[in-house]
Amino acid sequence: KNEVEQSPQNLTAQEGEFITINCSYSVGISALHWLQQHPGGGIVSLFMLSSGKKKHGRLIATINIQEKHSSLHITASHPRDSAVYICAVRMNRDDKIIFGKGTRLHILP
Amino acid sequence: DGGITQSPKYLFRKEGQNVTLSCEQNLNHDAMYWYRQDPGQGLRLIYYSQIVNDFQKGDIAEGYSVSREKKESFPLTVTSAQKNPTAFYLCASSEQVSSYEQYFGPGTRLTVT
Repeated sequence: KNEVEQSPQNLTAQEGEFITINCSYSVGISALHWLQQHPGGGIVSLFMLSSGKKKHGRLIATINIQEKHSSLHITASHPRDSAVYICAVRMNRDDKIIFGKGTRLHILP
Repeated sequence: DGGITQSPKYLFRKEGQNVTLSCEQNLNHDAMYWYRQDPGQGLRLIYYSQIVNDFQKGDIAEGYSVSREKKESFPLTVTSAQKNPTAFYLCASSEQVSSYEQYFGPGTRLTVT
């Protein structure tokens, strides 16, 4: 079993829809990251969370430490949001970072 | 502009040849990392360096080598011993290894035939 699981693996939606991407993990963590990888391959850090909720523009990230679960929401989605979204956790036990396999999001105009 | 550069974007090599991927950062970060990304898999750590002249193996170091002679530079050599070298390689840096946030380069796609 992977220590970091993302769902769904792939998501196609219409422009304007509210998007939710989920990340579950099975280990104790000190922080969780949401990353965005565009088709060209470069990766951008969106959020770093250790508790609660963060918002940046149309993006919202939440984390529930007790349930070992985080969600990334995109409001009023746009074709330029099409990318792979990656969840990564920093483990308490050895400070290593484990990456999820990513969720491929495609927003149709 | 501060950031991480990787070159080249695309690299093609024949099997049996060693190849070196470049990674440079001007963020004044102490820590640097090399990751490998394969389709359908999460990023996997190849090597990391906490400071100049020091580096540690990650989870999949076999067939790879690195050097850290300068703070700004962390080149990765993919040797002929790497059994499946075709992949997308990403370099990253952070202020320290214990820092929460990593900054990524644009990546190099290596194809070995």
